[in-house]
Amino acid sequence: SQQGEEDPQALSIQEGENATMNCSYKTSINNLQWYRQNSGRGLVHLILIRSNEREKHSGRLRVTLDTSKKSSSLLITASRAADTASYFCATASYSGYSTLTFGKGTMLLVSP
Amino acid sequence: SQTIHQWPATLVQPVGSPLSLECTVEGTSNPNLYWYRQAAGRGLQLLFYSVGIGQISSEVPQNLSASRPQDRQFILSSKKLLLSDSGFYLCAWSGGTTLPSSYNEQFFGPGTRLTVL
Repeated sequence: SQQGEEDPQALSIQEGENATMNCSYKTSINNLQWYRQNSGRGLVHLILIRSNEREKHSGRLRVTLDTSKKSSSLLITASRAADTASYFCATASYSGYSTLTFGKGTMLLVSP
Repeated sequence: SQTIHQWPATLVQPVGSPLSLECTVEGTSNPNLYWYRQAAGRGLQLLFYSVGIGQISSEVPQNLSASRPQDRQFILSSKKLLLSDSGFYLCAWSGGTTLPSSYNEQFFGPGTRLTVL
């Protein structure tokens, strides 16, 4: 079963605009991660936020986590055409074996 | 640095034929290894994971199997492919000797596109 659900399923913006994607999950987590996938390629890890953290930054990425609402958001500022990809959230319910449960993803299209 | 290889990149197989996909990791030891399948426009479904040689955990019952004959080698197999086995297969690794044990970010291979006709 899928733990994370991203919203929206698809997002289309212009270069320079900010893109915000949301993720909701159902059970308690150890951490939540965001990944990016270019069409037909493997996933690339972007950022990991632990359950005791509320906000994290990495370059143009900002991730927030609200464990009371079981939700997270990924903000990409000043988007570029090269940011066009699918973005997935994944939750880790620590069991000692480090498995992740992925959502269905948000497809982001950034037009020049 | 660590790298992960998958082959083949693409594969077209008839229904009922066998399957063998291979994944190898370089630059770390004792990694956790994972096989995922991604259907078109969908998220990733965890198929198998392994925490050591010969140790395989299955997440979804199906006609696929996995094996880990060496520390950094993970193989996905099937004796008889079904149409529903078509998809994008991704191998990933995490942990190992190069990352703290508390880390579980995963690093993905380039994937294999499997089409069963």
